[in-house]
Amino acid sequence: RKEVEQDPGPFNVPEGATVAFNCTYSNSASQSFFWYRQDCRKEPKLLMSVYSSGNEDGRFTAQLNRASQYISLLIRDSKLSDSATYLCAANRGWGKFQFGAGTQVVVTP
Amino acid sequence: GAVVSQHPSWVICKSGTSVKIECRSLDFQATTMFWYRQFPKQSLMLMATSNEGSKATYEQGVEKDKFLINHASLTLSTLTVTSAHPEDSSFYICSAIYGGDEKLFFGSGTQLSVL
Repeated sequence: RKEVEQDPGPFNVPEGATVAFNCTYSNSASQSFFWYRQDCRKEPKLLMSVYSSGNEDGRFTAQLNRASQYISLLIRDSKLSDSATYLCAANRGWGKFQFGAGTQVVVTP
Repeated sequence: GAVVSQHPSWVICKSGTSVKIECRSLDFQATTMFWYRQFPKQSLMLMATSNEGSKATYEQGVEKDKFLINHASLTLSTLTVTSAHPEDSSFYICSAIYGGDEKLFFGSGTQLSVL
């Protein structure tokens, strides 16, 4: 079983709609969690940190559920520019991150 | 966020040659950097942890003699793919931790194609 798992998608989302997806992790010792955005053949870019209390940044909301060992990302009012692959990451400590394979989001006009 | 620079962006080389990739932290000192590899439609896989002034720590299954890592200063780590073969073709990305909450920032990546 992979340490971090994501639905690969694609999630096809009409412009202006809301999309949400989860990421599950198996290592309960993971210390912190993040969402990254990766465009094709580019490096991942940090989108936001994920906290148990929830974290909102503009149209993006992230949530951590430690009991069920998953994190979520919700994108409201989707823009065409939101089309990308979203990677979740779990920090195992000492800077060692475990990444999911990514969820592809395609926002359509 | 922190800036991590990686060079070159892409390399095409013949089988059997060696390729060096540089990773620099531009606005902060990074005692530790990380090298990842990513195959198409797959997750980033941690290859090794590069420690300034000491030997790198390699993940299980990664050949240390094939992927040579040097971290000679607080702002520079290099990855050398020795005697590259077509199966080494991949996207190699370096990264560094910045900030008290250990956020990971990435270089722009190097697409390696071995013919």
